[in-house]
Amino acid sequence: AQKITQTQPGMFVQEKEAVTLDCTYDTSDQSYGLFWYKQPSSGEMIFLIYQGSYDEQNATEGRYSLNFQKARKSANLVISASQLGDSAMYFCAMREVYNFNKFYFGSGTKLNVKP
Amino acid sequence: NAGVTQTPKFQVLKTGQSMTLQCAQDMNHNSMYWYRQDPGMGLRLIYYSASEGTTDKGEVPNGYNVSRLNKREFSLRLESAAPSQTSVYFCASSEAAGSGANVLTFGAGSRLTVL
Repeated sequence: AQKITQTQPGMFVQEKEAVTLDCTYDTSDQSYGLFWYKQPSSGEMIFLIYQGSYDEQNATEGRYSLNFQKARKSANLVISASQLGDSAMYFCAMREVYNFNKFYFGSGTKLNVKP
Repeated sequence: NAGVTQTPKFQVLKTGQSMTLQCAQDMNHNSMYWYRQDPGMGLRLIYYSASEGTTDKGEVPNGYNVSRLNKREFSLRLESAAPSQTSVYFCASSEAAGSGANVLTFGAGSRLTVL
């Protein structure tokens, strides 16, 4: 079974609007971490935001926030006030603390920000 | 402030040739990883090393070998390259157990083409 599912292969958003990138995960562990990475066209993988399974508050980092719904096993990335530089691939990932050496990645969502 | 350095950035091989991808990190991380990235498939784990002296298979280890030379360096070897190994390869490192919050830090990637 897929550990991480990203159902949106590609998305468009207008500049300055907010956008939500979906991510669902599958684990039977109680303790795990969820991550989002950005991959611009230059190819590097950039860490954006982290959410721990026991964190009660949704994580935020500047314009990025993670909408964590534990019961639904979803960890959606919200980008507020999109900028042209946000055009990139975005990957959701999970690390189970008791299998800590394995990071599982989704297939990614390609976001295009339109001027 | 190098982080994770991998070489070479680009390589073209003929079927059956061998090559080694080199990776070094200067963050004193215990765990190191090799991933491959193919379109539409996200990142798939080839091998990882939880600590110096140990290596373990990931999801797609066939056709690859690894060496954890010391705490800093983790190399990936293709003994007899095949066209199916055409991909972008990423080395990454992370602090080890204790917290799911430990982020995976990536190198810039190595684009390998096997003709």
